[in-house]
Order: sequence, then structure tokens, then C-alpha cells
Amino acid sequence: GAVVSQHPSRVICKSGTSVKIECRSLDFQATTMFWYRQFPKQSLMLMATSNEGSKATYEQGVEKDKFLINHASLTLSTLTVTSAHPEDSSFYICSANNARQGGSYTFGSGTRLTVV
Amino acid sequence: GDSVTQMEGPVTLSEEAFLTINCTYTATGYPSLFWYVQYPGEGLQLLLKATKADDKGSNKGFEATYRKETTSFHLEKGSVQVSDSAVYFCALSAETSGNTPLVFGKGTRLSVIA
Repeated sequence: GAVVSQHPSRVICKSGTSVKIECRSLDFQATTMFWYRQFPKQSLMLMATSNEGSKATYEQGVEKDKFLINHASLTLSTLTVTSAHPEDSSFYICSANNARQGGSYTFGSGTRLTVV
Repeated sequence: GDSVTQMEGPVTLSEEAFLTINCTYTATGYPSLFWYVQYPGEGLQLLLKATKADDKGSNKGFEATYRKETTSFHLEKGSVQVSDSAVYFCALSAETSGNTPLVFGKGTRLSVIA
């Protein structure tokens, strides 16, 4: 079946540094990928929609200069948290759309980011 | 806009008990409906889905029927196991291409005790 690999699974960084999270579709091409943030014991909050070769569409309230999204190929999207602060600590999850199986959403295993 | 409402947990059941997690939705048109499961520290896994009215999705003993008349997609399982302990999310997709994001309910935490 469709597999989405997300790395790293856990990362601890110092305040002020940047962290890059990768989301890779392993056996299918993903024209669209979605990035979510999840706070403890809460639902997923959509941050942005990224389409291959174009700029990401950010949800209201999400700072695009802080959360940089790049979708340079049909199999890879990256989320970079720039100048991270402790309030950015969260669980980040990506989801990819399988273009050949319209309406099929496959999720990565998530990244636990802790900013100290 | 589109929305999903699901019963709030936590839900605690004994092993082999019957499970129902209610989910209702509001959407224009004919959305696809999904149930996802999230185990601690992990991403979401698709449990089942239905794409049109009266469809029944089923997987691993779980099932849900797309009821257009009641705009519902309740999740059921006849006999839960300890390994079913997780958070369950009901979700909808407004269109079938997969190019629009899923709309999620708030999630229901299920704990099954032996």
C-alpha cells in the first residue's frame, strides 16, 4: 500500500535554531501534501497545503515566514520551522494525496518537536 | 463551511464490549467520509472509508455506514480488544480528487481494559 515516510520522528533543538522536517511518499507520486500540527490530546490543525512546483497555501493564522514549506518534487515536501521557540513545540504530521488513487490520504508517522 | 462533530471521550470499555462512536457531519454536496485511528506517538492510519450514501466501510472488525439522511457515519465494533485503545478521528473530504484537506472531528479517545 501507499507509504509516507516522515523524518525525523523526534527532534530537540535550541531556541532560535531552525529545524527541517521531511515528508516523502515512497511508492507513489503526491501532487498535494498537507501539513498539520497537533497539540496534546487535541485534533489535527491544518497548517498548509503544498502543491508540487508552486507556493504553499497557508491557513489563516499560520506564519508563512516561520513555517517554510517546499514541495520541490512529486515525492518530497519539507517543513522548516525557522527561529524556533518553545511555543513551537508540538507534534507535526504530514499527509500526502496519491494522485493515482484520487481521494486517498496517507499520513506520515509524525515528528515530535521540542524546543528548549 | 464543512464540519465534523464526533462524541467526546474519553470512552472506557471492558474487553469484548460493544463500541459505538458517533459522528455527524455538515457539508455541501456529497463528501467522502473516513475514520482514522491514532496510536500513541504515531501518525494517523486509515481505518475505513465510504464515498457515497449507504456505503459501508469495514476493517478489522470495525464498520461504519454512510447515512445521508441523518448525515452520520457512526463507528461500531462488536467486541473490542485492549489493542483497540487509541484515538479515533472521523473526517470528511469535500471532493474525491484528494486535493483538498480532510476536515477532522476532535477525536475520541478509547481505552479498553482487560
